[in-house]
Amino acid sequence: KAGVTQTPRYLIKTRGQQVTLSCSPISGHRSVSWYQQTPGQGLQFLFEYFSETQRNKGNFPGRFSGRQFSNSRSEMNVSTLELGDSALYLCASSFTLAGGAGSTSTDTQYFGPGTRLTVL
Amino acid sequence: DAKTTQPPSMDCAEGRAANLPCNHSTISGNEYVYWYRQIHSQGPQYIIHGLKNNETNEMASLIITEDRKSSTLILPHATLRDTAVYYCIVRVAGGGADGLTFGKGTHLIIQP
Repeated sequence: KAGVTQTPRYLIKTRGQQVTLSCSPISGHRSVSWYQQTPGQGLQFLFEYFSETQRNKGNFPGRFSGRQFSNSRSEMNVSTLELGDSALYLCASSFTLAGGAGSTSTDTQYFGPGTRLTVL
Repeated sequence: DAKTTQPPSMDCAEGRAANLPCNHSTISGNEYVYWYRQIHSQGPQYIIHGLKNNETNEMASLIITEDRKSSTLILPHATLRDTAVYYCIVRVAGGGADGLTFGKGTHLIIQP
């Protein structure tokens, strides 16, 4: 099976612009999660989508948003970019059941290579 | 708050077994122990996970203590390509909507 793919791999933007990143999950996986990694804050959870619905989100401002399509592909958008948004953005997919916490699914997440965003 | 504690760094000679410890003293009965690693600037790579029994796959072995308060990831014959940051994570079964909580991990350096 092909792994998680992310496009583009590298991106340079300027402050105030917006950016859209794309993630294609492993075939058959219905859950997609997004993470931000910076040297100062480490790896932090942004949000998770399952069946085109956001089920959970981390502690990030509303400038960070996402969506998921019927084929499970996902996009995340950052509007009004700030210098501090420079980071590695990672997408992870899992074959997750809809049962949520307490179900027997372990929901192992598999990560893509990431998109390196630089904001100038 | 991080639920796991790992040493910040470790060295291991190439060809020897690398044993990476992790403390998770507040783990709940329905929480799994996961291990990932991240080679510089790449996406984290899943290694192995377990609930209470020891687990082995082609990459590593996971030893979980009987009280489940700690675990050890074992890379049996470390190579230079195993140099990476290793993350130990606990996660509730069925917690598909929940993000993984990454701590600072252990920077494992394999010495030639």
